[in-house]
Amino acid sequence: AQSVSQHNHHVILSEAASLELGCNYSYGGTVNLFWYVQYPGQHLQLLLKYFSGDPLVKGIKGFEAEFIKSKFSFNLRKPSVQWSDTAEYFCAVTTPGGTSYGKLTFGQGTILTVHP
Amino acid sequence: KAGVTQTPRYLIKTRGQQVTLSCSPISGHRSVSWYQQTPGQGLQFLFEYFSETQRNKGNFPGRFSGRQFSNSRSEMNVSTLELGDSALYLCASSLLTGTGGEQYFGPGTRLTVT
Repeated sequence: AQSVSQHNHHVILSEAASLELGCNYSYGGTVNLFWYVQYPGQHLQLLLKYFSGDPLVKGIKGFEAEFIKSKFSFNLRKPSVQWSDTAEYFCAVTTPGGTSYGKLTFGQGTILTVHP
Repeated sequence: KAGVTQTPRYLIKTRGQQVTLSCSPISGHRSVSWYQQTPGQGLQFLFEYFSETQRNKGNFPGRFSGRQFSNSRSEMNVSTLELGDSALYLCASSLLTGTGGEQYFGPGTRLTVT
């Protein structure tokens, strides 16, 4: 069975600091990878996704993530965070085809707090 | 294009009762997935429907059920509610089916069981 592990439960940064949130998954086959964000009081929104091709993917709001297949990792990065990035971030994985229809497996989430 | 909508947004029920939650997917999306979000267990997959058929199911007891209508709207039902069913229930819709496409989430229904 797939599983996703996010390394940090709570990250606290000051504005303009750089961000890297770790995500590792366990599955030996082909995966599609996602980062979702949940701002306070809002619903889950897709930040970025990786299906295939260039392992460095760019998403909305200046976020990017790098897929490293050999490390089963998909870390999220942002060079300079803003107070408005305060939110909970979720890494998720699914397997294309097969029988994993409509199932995203999520990590535990990382709460990011950015101080002005 | 309107997003995923869920009704009701908040619900308070008593242990032993049953509840029905509703989800309308993004227009044109035929796949609807349901998730339970709790502080302790995080986001857990309940089931997925496509063309009125349940194609996938997570590890939840049979008290949790769902269905999908011909217009792709979906409902989930929880019977004999337990205190531990208190959670945020999220619905997500997807355009790409069977290919692991991205899912778009609704605001959720906050269920409190007393």
